[in-house]
Amino acid sequence: DTGVSQDPRHKITKRGQNVTFRCDPISEHNRLYWYRQTLGQGPEFLTYFQNEAQLEKSRLLSDRFSAERPKGSFSTLEIQRTEQGDSAMYLCASSSRGLGSEQYFGPGTRLTVT
Amino acid sequence: EDKVVQSPLSLVVHEGDTVTLNCSYEVTNFRSLLWYKQEKKAPTFLFMLTSSGIEKKSGRLSSILDKKELFSILNITATQTGDSAVYLCAVPGGGADGLTFGKGTHLIIQP
Repeated sequence: DTGVSQDPRHKITKRGQNVTFRCDPISEHNRLYWYRQTLGQGPEFLTYFQNEAQLEKSRLLSDRFSAERPKGSFSTLEIQRTEQGDSAMYLCASSSRGLGSEQYFGPGTRLTVT
Repeated sequence: EDKVVQSPLSLVVHEGDTVTLNCSYEVTNFRSLLWYKQEKKAPTFLFMLTSSGIEKKSGRLSSILDKKELFSILNITATQTGDSAVYLCAVPGGGADGLTFGKGTHLIIQP
């Protein structure tokens, strides 16, 4: 039984570049979530998929951010024209049960924008 | 807007002590409250409390939910150095499913 996996684990990029992260949820989990976490803060919700449908997006998700889950399995999060303020840990979580149920987190991708 | 406030933000105790971590919340449509433990990696799920399950216990950890007063506590008895971590409290959003987290309590257990 494998948990949620994310790739890459670390990414260093220069300001203005585009980056893409991947998340593979726990098998058969139909719900997938993206969060962002900065130092000293709890994770902040970004967006949520049920199967391939993106059902919710936070106000934090600016136009430079886009997420997909094309076949209802893995998901990608792309940040275009990165800014230094995008530096954070990007966490993915998945869940199989109904609304309000527990979510299981991956190890995260740490993004550093120089 | 949903809100979760945790206290204290940091806590240093000696091994063997008992600690109580607090979480108060405001959410439009309460469904559940979740506790996570975060070491230098992703949050690990501990407990989920709901209207039908207001007390949970696992080993030295236990948690209760007070829906009337809108708070929850996480107790850890006979603390060990391995309990050192950030403990996060979260509630699902009133209208959907994204979790709103508190800032966490950074717990340090000294030998």
